[in-house]
Amino acid sequence: EIVLTQSPATLSLSPGERATLSCRASQSISSYLAWYQQKPGQAPRLLIYDASNRATGIPARFSGSGSGTDFTLTISSLEPEDFAVYYCQQRYNWPPLTFGGGTKVEI
Amino acid sequence: QVQLVQSGAEVKEPGASVKVSCKTSGYTFTSHYIHWVRQAPGQGLEWMGIINPTGGSTSYAQKFQDRVTMARDTSTRTVYMSLSSLRSEDTAVYYCARGKGYGGDDSFDIWGQGTKVIVSS
Repeated sequence: EIVLTQSPATLSLSPGERATLSCRASQSISSYLAWYQQKPGQAPRLLIYDASNRATGIPARFSGSGSGTDFTLTISSLEPEDFAVYYCQQRYNWPPLTFGGGTKVEI
Repeated sequence: QVQLVQSGAEVKEPGASVKVSCKTSGYTFTSHYIHWVRQAPGQGLEWMGIINPTGGSTSYAQKFQDRVTMARDTSTRTVYMSLSSLRSEDTAVYYCARGKGYGGDDSFDIWGQGTKVIVSS
């Protein structure tokens, strides 16, 4: 099973600042990584798939990069609605598909 | 528009079973696999398994292999997830999610609203 480790667990920032979230895989997963945003009481929403491709309707301030074992989600300038929990997920080796433990972006 | 609409909340006693439904609309039912993911209170996301709506084949996470069953009804475009021998640790929100492409190795582009299952005596 591929383990995904997200860091930091919590990121405290202000609106307008840049957010950089990390996801590290226990083995190479090529570019088969996705990022999701989850707000309280809501289902997750797909932001980025295959490491760097924005999903439909996702604003350009969200970008993803990386390959192999190290991946980054960057939010270029935080909007108030971006404060949420973010999860990474790998699809390289399954079953099982696995998620990281999440990073909370708080004000 | 594409939608996954899940059944309502459930309260079950330990040892019982639960069946959650996920009704799909707005796309070709057989073109995307459906996954089930759960989230315990205050915890992260956990993948449970997948069903191919075309033939009904399934693949489950080893953790749930003995207790989970996934099925589909093509006439109503509905997918079902049953979990048996419930214990308190199964208290969670259960989500169905559509695979973005076609295949088991996928990301999830559309999610249901979630079904809260509480296991308590």
